Amino acid sequence: KAGVTQTPRYLIKTRGQQVTLSCSPISGHRSVSWYQQTPGQGLQFLFEYFSETQRNKGNFPGRFSGRQFSNSRSEMNVSTLELGDSALYLCASSLAPTSGTDTQYFGPGTRLTVL
Amino acid sequence: SQQGEEDPQALSIQEGENATMNCSYKTSINNLQWYRQNSGRGLVHLILIRSNEREKHSGRLRVTLDTSKKSSSLLITASRAADTASYFCATDAKGAQKLVFGQGTRLTINP
Repeated sequence: KAGVTQTPRYLIKTRGQQVTLSCSPISGHRSVSWYQQTPGQGLQFLFEYFSETQRNKGNFPGRFSGRQFSNSRSEMNVSTLELGDSALYLCASSLAPTSGTDTQYFGPGTRLTVL
Repeated sequence: SQQGEEDPQALSIQEGENATMNCSYKTSINNLQWYRQNSGRGLVHLILIRSNEREKHSGRLRVTLDTSKKSSSLLITASRAADTASYFCATDAKGAQKLVFGQGTRLTINP
């Protein structure tokens, strides 16, 4: 079974631009979560989608948004990029929504650099 | 703020030795998970221990959980160079509906 895939793997943008990242979960998984990883803040939860609905959201500004499609693929969008948005963005999929019983499987991440 | 705090932040040992990492958390949890991350890549799930379990084994990994102390430890026995990575604990606090990660322990295995 193929793992979680994320595209693109690397991205360079300039301040003020917007970016869209894509995540394809493991086949059959309906929950997709997004995380931002930076050296200073570590791994921080962005949001989770299940069956095309945002189930939970972390403490990030409204510039960060996401969506999930009927095939469970998910995208996240960051508008008006800031230097501090430079990070590794990870998505994770699981069979069911995060409830304490399911393992989350992570993709390789998208490395975003904002210049 | 992070739910999990890991200790030590960095650990360097010789190949063949055992490595122990600790994780403390603040609130009641459903489970605690450990992940490994190789330099700048995705996280690999290692083991999940439920709140009603005290110890779990998987190959060379041994995880303990003490809910009264709100702490967990990950022991890697007979370490190998390939174990060099960052290790994170993640908690699923009751009612939180999300995983909260610690800052991680950077483990270096010297040949």
